[in-house]
Amino acid sequence: EAQVTQNPRYLITVTGKKLTVTCSQNMNHEYMSWYRQDPGLGLRQIYYSMNVEVTDKGDVPEGYKVSRKEKRNFPLILESPSPNQTSLYFCASSPLSTVTEKLFFGSGTQLSVL
Amino acid sequence: SQQGEEDPQALSIQEGENATMNCSYKTSINNLQWYRQNSGRGLVHLILIRSNEREKHSGRLRVTLDTSKKSSSLLITASRAADTASYFCATADRGSTLGRLYFGRGTQLTVWP
Repeated sequence: EAQVTQNPRYLITVTGKKLTVTCSQNMNHEYMSWYRQDPGLGLRQIYYSMNVEVTDKGDVPEGYKVSRKEKRNFPLILESPSPNQTSLYFCASSPLSTVTEKLFFGSGTQLSVL
Repeated sequence: SQQGEEDPQALSIQEGENATMNCSYKTSINNLQWYRQNSGRGLVHLILIRSNEREKHSGRLRVTLDTSKKSSSLLITASRAADTASYFCATADRGSTLGRLYFGRGTQLTVWP
């Protein structure tokens, strides 16, 4: 089944403890992206990647890192999480040819930073 | 901000009624898309309308686009309880960096049986 898989689904952590949220897609998509969703603010883009080893900042990149060593994986790294990073996170992917026409989303990761 | 703005923020209707949601945006666009999100889950692409199109249909969905007013509407006809979800518009802005989509804050639709 074609899908974008995020793990974990729920994560509770403490301030300053490094964490990684994984994202993997099995559709051979070039484009992958991370969004965060907060009540009243909608979805905001954190980072995106057009292909392996190519990443760019979105609207809210501060406090996050990403890497794209393989085409299928695009992990989101929080080196020193803070409470204001408590949010619902989504990974999305798309073929590069239709990147601005249709995104495929993962099921989300609900992160709580205490 | 380049985000779209959906209106209303929340909409509550009975099954069988039509639901209309609006989206306004600020810049020139290449296309506008609508997505659906069931509670806390990932977004699912519903329909895309290009800047040179005025209306598009897909099943019970009808989307209109008025580029002169920088607005779009999503109509769901004969709504069902299963349509209960949040609906987001997203724009691909003309001249924007490839890969950037701007999402609105969403309309929460509740359809009562």
